[in-house]
Amino acid sequence: QKEVEQNSGPLSVPEGAIASLNCTYSDRGSQSFFWYRQYSGKSPELIMSIYSNGDKEDGRFTAQLNKASQYVSLLIRDSQPSDSATYLCAVNILKAMEYGNKLVFGAGTILRVKS
Amino acid sequence: GAVVSQHPSWVICKSGTSVKIECRSLDFQATTMFWYRQFPKQSLMLMATSNEGSKATYEQGVEKDKFLINHASLTLSTLTVTSAHPEDSSFYICSARTSGRYTDTQYFGPGTRLTVL
Repeated sequence: QKEVEQNSGPLSVPEGAIASLNCTYSDRGSQSFFWYRQYSGKSPELIMSIYSNGDKEDGRFTAQLNKASQYVSLLIRDSQPSDSATYLCAVNILKAMEYGNKLVFGAGTILRVKS
Repeated sequence: GAVVSQHPSWVICKSGTSVKIECRSLDFQATTMFWYRQFPKQSLMLMATSNEGSKATYEQGVEKDKFLINHASLTLSTLTVTSAHPEDSSFYICSARTSGRYTDTQYFGPGTRLTVL
């Protein structure tokens, strides 16, 4: 079982719709979770972080965390063509005490917003 | 805040030469930096964890003698690709970790695109 799993997509949504991106993780001890956006040829950009169960909203983005189900999601409201990118889910996994946590990335979900 | 820079942004070199890539945290101190590699249409692959003042920790399968990492200060880590070959051509990305009360957050540099001829 992969440590962090995402559907590779592509996920296609029309402009103005809600895009829903999902991620599951295997380490029950994980405490912090991140969503990064990566445009083609660019490095990842942090969009959201979430640490507690429930929802966290920031503008058009909402991150949802359910630790019992080991599930984290990202909702993008009013999707725009500029949101078309690969979205990476990342989970902090305790690697070793002397090195601190290790951020493990999912393979990413390609989102395409069609105008 | 939390800005990470990389230099150079792209480099083309001949096979057999060495290339140094710098990663700097501009507005925060980073005791830990990470080096990733990404091939076209593939996900990020962690190469090594760079800790200030100590030896880097390399992921399985990454040759430490080929990819030399130095983390000399709290704001600078360097990756040197020694005796580069065409198969080393890739997108190299560093990240720097901030430390908060509850968690650590990684911020990425813009990446360095290496092409080995």
